[in-house]
Amino acid sequence: GNSVTQMEGPVTLSEEAFLTINCTYTATGYPSLFWYVQYPGEGLQLLLKATKADDKGSNKGFEATYRKETTSFHLEKGSVQVSDSAVYFCALSDHLDMRFGAGTRLTVKP
Amino acid sequence: EPEVTQTPSHQVTQMGQEVILRCVPISNHLYFYWYRQILGQKVEFLVSFYNNEISEKSEIFDDQFSVERPDGSNFTLKIRSTKLEDSAMYFCASRPRTGKTENEKLFFGSGTQLSVL
Repeated sequence: GNSVTQMEGPVTLSEEAFLTINCTYTATGYPSLFWYVQYPGEGLQLLLKATKADDKGSNKGFEATYRKETTSFHLEKGSVQVSDSAVYFCALSDHLDMRFGAGTRLTVKP
Repeated sequence: EPEVTQTPSHQVTQMGQEVILRCVPISNHLYFYWYRQILGQKVEFLVSFYNNEISEKSEIFDDQFSVERPDGSNFTLKIRSTKLEDSAMYFCASRPRTGKTENEKLFFGSGTQLSVL
């Protein structure tokens, strides 16, 4: 079945550092891939998505590229801010279902 | 942007009591979901619902759980006899008719925090 594996946290970075959160997936078809973010005390929000191989999703300075050859969708940001502190979830969808990774907690210190 | 609405935002109940979590999906959406997140753990799929019936459910979704779309707007999750381990954040989600990749985005509600004492 479909599954998502993402980098275990927590991740602690200084402001303006480079961020990578790894995500790999297993799927029988050609899923869409997503990153969701959960800020403290809030619900899940869609951060970015990619629907086919080689697509790049981007939002708020975050990027992720759908790599079919490595079955990956790593999240990156060139310069993190304190306000980026949150839990990040990688997910995949195959039209009928959504599967989430375990989440990676990011803390950015000033 | 239209949004999925969940009520209440926080529900406290005694062990063994029944609870109903309410969700109003986006009006033209056809697929509905419940997920939960136990504090500090991953988001877990519970159930998906389409055309007035369950299309898929996880092993978590046992006989204590049920879902219903009682009218054209609400989508509810009922837990018949709550246990301590049911304490979690419950998220409702919906999405439009599939068939177009841009419609695969799930719209999540902000969640209901259920505390079982």
